[in-house]
Amino acid sequence: RKEVEQDPGPFNVPEGATVAFNCTYSNSASQSFFWYRQDCRKEPKLLMSVYSSGNEDGRFTAQLNRASQYISLLIRDSKLSDSATYLCVVKGLSGSARQLTFGSGTQLTVLP
Amino acid sequence: EPEVTQTPSHQVTQMGQEVILRCVPISNHLYFYWYRQILGQKVEFLVSFYNNEISEKSEIFDDQFSVERPDGSNFTLKIRSTKLEDSAMYFCASSDPAGGDSPLHFGNGTRLTVT
Repeated sequence: RKEVEQDPGPFNVPEGATVAFNCTYSNSASQSFFWYRQDCRKEPKLLMSVYSSGNEDGRFTAQLNRASQYISLLIRDSKLSDSATYLCVVKGLSGSARQLTFGSGTQLTVLP
Repeated sequence: EPEVTQTPSHQVTQMGQEVILRCVPISNHLYFYWYRQILGQKVEFLVSFYNNEISEKSEIFDDQFSVERPDGSNFTLKIRSTKLEDSAMYFCASSDPAGGDSPLHFGNGTRLTVT
């Protein structure tokens, strides 16, 4: 099983659509979870941390299911500027408290 | 907002040459990292650094790689004898000492091209 697995997409959605991304991780002892976004040939930028109770930041909602080792990101009312690759990131997956393990990313294109 | 800065933004070198990639982490951060991303592939961990020593390294980080914090602000990655397969984006990152769930903040990267 891949350590952090994501649907690579691409997801092509119209402006205003709601889109959901899923991610699974292999180590139940993993400690912290994040969604980063990465624009083409740029650095990963933190979008949001993911908490066990679920959390929301504006149009973005993240959920964590530790029992299923599953993380999700929901984007509502998508904007053109949301077009990017969304990276599911897990800290502590490899047994290290601080090392991040990245998924391959899910590519999103929001169409006008 | 404080940020991690990296120089140069693009480095072209010939196979077998040494390169040094430079990073200035966020000033109050204590944990420093190097990651790389080969074009079209996922971001991969190379090394973490804390308290002036390597705390962890991956299998990628072999003897040709080294890191150093030569002064209070810079954090460098040296590749001693570059290979074609070292061509990638190299990202420096830092995190604060607040706890294990503090996120990493990435620099804008150095694109290394080995010819």
